[in-house]
Amino acid sequence: KQEVTQIPAALSVPEGENLVLNCSFTDSAIYNLQWFRQDPGKGLTSLLLIQSSQREQTSGRLNASLDKSSGRSTLYIAASQPGDSATYLCAVISNTDKLIFGTGTRLQVFP
Amino acid sequence: DAGVIQSPRHEVTEMGQEVTLRCKPISGHDYLFWYRQTMMRGLELLIYFNNNVPIDDSGMPEDRFSAKMPNASFSTLKIQPSEPRDSAVYFCASSPDVNTGELFFGEGSRLTVL
Repeated sequence: KQEVTQIPAALSVPEGENLVLNCSFTDSAIYNLQWFRQDPGKGLTSLLLIQSSQREQTSGRLNASLDKSSGRSTLYIAASQPGDSATYLCAVISNTDKLIFGTGTRLQVFP
Repeated sequence: DAGVIQSPRHEVTEMGQEVTLRCKPISGHDYLFWYRQTMMRGLELLIYFNNNVPIDDSGMPEDRFSAKMPNASFSTLKIQPSEPRDSAVYFCASSPDVNTGELFFGEGSRLTVL
């Protein structure tokens, strides 16, 4: 059974810092991995999608890497801003077609 | 496209009442998912459809829960009878191709059962 874990559960940093969010999964047989952002009281917004054949994806100040063999992904946020404050979730899809979510990292960036 | 549309956004009901949540996926998306989110359990997949056909409903908690997708543009999640432990945010999501495509979520329906 696929299990997805995210560390840390919560993170509070000053504006401008570069930071790394971690995601680990137990079954390396995945099709893709996605990172989502969720603002309070809102739905999830897809940030980055990494196919199983890819090593990383970049979008603006965000960079996500994938190491299937070790069952890990990281989301790197450069020059963090207060507007980045949200909960970040990673999710993986394996051959069951089910998107399994991690527990999330609640990020707060203060001015 | 307006994105995935869910209704109602908020519902407060009393224990024992029937609850119906609605979802309109993005046009052209073949996959539709129903998730439930709580503080204790995070995001749980309840059921998903491919081309209007239920593929996996193993996440549906019990017989009180049922989901239908009568056509490509509409799905419902029904709880009958509702219980306080059903209180959660229910999300609907759609995807053009779950293996290679992204998942797009609605804003969710916040259900409170008193």
